[in-house]
Amino acid sequence: AQSVSQHNHHVILSEAASLELGCNYSYGGTVNLFWYVQYPGQHLQLLLKYFSGDPLVKGIKGFEAEFIKSKFSFNLRKPSVQWSDTAEYFCAVKPGLGGGSQGNLIFGKGTKLSVKP
Amino acid sequence: DGGITQSPKYLFRKEGQNVTLSCEQNLNHDAMYWYRQDPGQGLRLIYYSQIVNDFQKGDIAEGYSVSREKKESFPLTVTSAQKNPTAFYLCASNPRQGAANYGYTFGSGTRLTVV
Repeated sequence: AQSVSQHNHHVILSEAASLELGCNYSYGGTVNLFWYVQYPGQHLQLLLKYFSGDPLVKGIKGFEAEFIKSKFSFNLRKPSVQWSDTAEYFCAVKPGLGGGSQGNLIFGKGTKLSVKP
Repeated sequence: DGGITQSPKYLFRKEGQNVTLSCEQNLNHDAMYWYRQDPGQGLRLIYYSQIVNDFQKGDIAEGYSVSREKKESFPLTVTSAQKNPTAFYLCASNPRQGAANYGYTFGSGTRLTVV
């Protein structure tokens, strides 16, 4: 079965620090890639997505992610975090044809980000 | 505004009882999904439906049941057979199965607690 790994369970940063959250997936074929964010008490929201083209994807609120096919990775980055970025972040992958999952998204276990003011 | 409405927000169940969680969407999406979220476990797929009157088991379907009699509604029943039902339940939708270019739209969730 395909899987998605998020390396860090909990990341603690001070405001203005740079952020990079790791995401690796196991499928070697075509994939669509997503990052979702869940702010405390709120529903999951789409931060950004990759389908094709430029592997550097820009999302909302200053976030970006880079798709590196050779590393099966889609790491999320932000140059300078704010207290309001405190949330849980989920990486998700949709394998292409032949990848199983019946077209459903496969989610990682999430990374909690705590930003200290 | 279009979106997904889950109700109730909080639900308490006695052991041995069945409970039904509501999920309604006005997005005209074909595909709907139920996920269970536990701390440190991420989102695990319970059931999904690609179209009205059709649904499929996900990775952790045991102890749950669903129906899809209307396009806009996808209720989830947590039965007494589910041994550890206390969790946060999320409903999601997509224009159609496999239409990943839209991503999923999520509801605000229902927190179920067994008392």
